[in-house]
Amino acid sequence: GQQVMQIPQYQHVQEGEDFTTYCNSSTTLSNIQWYKQRPGGHPVFLIQLVKSGEVKKQKRLTFQFGEAKKNSSLHITATQTTDVGTYFCVENPTGYNFNKFYFGSGTKLNVKP
Amino acid sequence: ETGVTQTPRHLVMGMTNKKSLKCEQHLGHNAMYWYKQSAKKPLELMFVYSLEERVENNSVPSRFSPECPNSSHLFLHLHTLQPEDSALYLCASSRQTSSPLHFGNGTRLTVT
Repeated sequence: GQQVMQIPQYQHVQEGEDFTTYCNSSTTLSNIQWYKQRPGGHPVFLIQLVKSGEVKKQKRLTFQFGEAKKNSSLHITATQTTDVGTYFCVENPTGYNFNKFYFGSGTKLNVKP
Repeated sequence: ETGVTQTPRHLVMGMTNKKSLKCEQHLGHNAMYWYKQSAKKPLELMFVYSLEERVENNSVPSRFSPECPNSSHLFLHLHTLQPEDSALYLCASSRQTSSPLHFGNGTRLTVT
């Protein structure tokens, strides 16, 4: 399998604080996806980044794809208790002909009200 | 509703039992996946089927046997499992080309 490093492993924030998780790959990626898994739930797709240096926003969430397509970040502005969950980056390496998605270790976010 | 349905939601089995997990997708996707999620590891890709053909077997022990009779259904046959196989088994589907995964709710498996 692929090596997808994701940091931090855990993050505890006070509601209203910002949060960032980082994802680094040892290989150049075709694309990268981000998923959120609520406690007791299943991963839910958030966004896909394809282009080098791409930045996408979803309300308070900002996603970035590195220029070299080897790293990515997710930033949440002014966290809310509904943001609680584990955030995964998922890499789809270049050179593969079929859909093979490798999950990062995830960052577990806890938001204190 | 996720569009991907997994049954059963919970399963307890002994090490000598044989059981099967079922996954059905109603999204018209061409690829289906089995992932394993255990407490101390990232989600592990187990098997990938594309157009009913297995395209990935990620070093999974032979006590796990997948079956994909058509593009809408995926099974995971289990036999002589070990306690360390206890985990959440997630099924997912996607379109053919690098598109997002849609997960089912998973089967929580406990091997006693």
